Amino acid sequence: KAGVTQTPRYLIKTRGQQVTLSCSPISGHRSVSWYQQTPGQGLQFLFEYFSETQRNKGNFPGRFSGRQFSNSRSEMNVSTLELGDSALYLCASSLGPNRAPGNTIYFGEGSWLTVV
Amino acid sequence: KNEVEQSPQNLTAQEGEFITINCSYSVGISALHWLQQHPGGGIVSLFMLSSGKKKHGRLIATINIQEKHSSLHITASHPRDSAVYICAVKGASGSRLTFGEGTQLTVNP
Repeated sequence: KAGVTQTPRYLIKTRGQQVTLSCSPISGHRSVSWYQQTPGQGLQFLFEYFSETQRNKGNFPGRFSGRQFSNSRSEMNVSTLELGDSALYLCASSLGPNRAPGNTIYFGEGSWLTVV
Repeated sequence: KNEVEQSPQNLTAQEGEFITINCSYSVGISALHWLQQHPGGGIVSLFMLSSGKKKHGRLIATINIQEKHSSLHITASHPRDSAVYICAVKGASGSRLTFGEGTQLTVNP
């Protein structure tokens, strides 16, 4: 079956602009989580959605937001972009937010965002 | 002090060597993941552990809940194992992942 699909893969934005990234989870997966990866901070949790509800949010400013649609696809938005937002944004999907055996997570290839 | 500490940060090995990467955490967890990241960004989940030991091919992962410690072993290492290996823990009360800084592994032929 198809993996986690993230679009776009690469994008360049200027400071002050906004950006929307998309994530399509594996079919049947209802949980989607987002992560930011930078050389200085490593991987950091942004937020998690399950059944269109945000279940958890990381320590990021309000400029970072997201949502999940009824088909489990998710988007994240960053408004008023800053240079420090340049990063790899990764999406991961799983069956649901529990620790049942086999409920592993699957990551997408990520969206590389460069802010200039 | 980070909640998740990995060692070593960098590791260079010769093909065929046995490799161990360690992960220590300071919080209660419900599960621990070992992840592999190749250049280009894509991350693959190698193991999810809540107790004991798991084996997949040449990879073995163990966890000691009492000692808050996990290890990832690679037997008969190969240049294609060269990647960044990341330990990530899922908290006991929530579903968010907290990540270690990663171990850059280079296996030379």
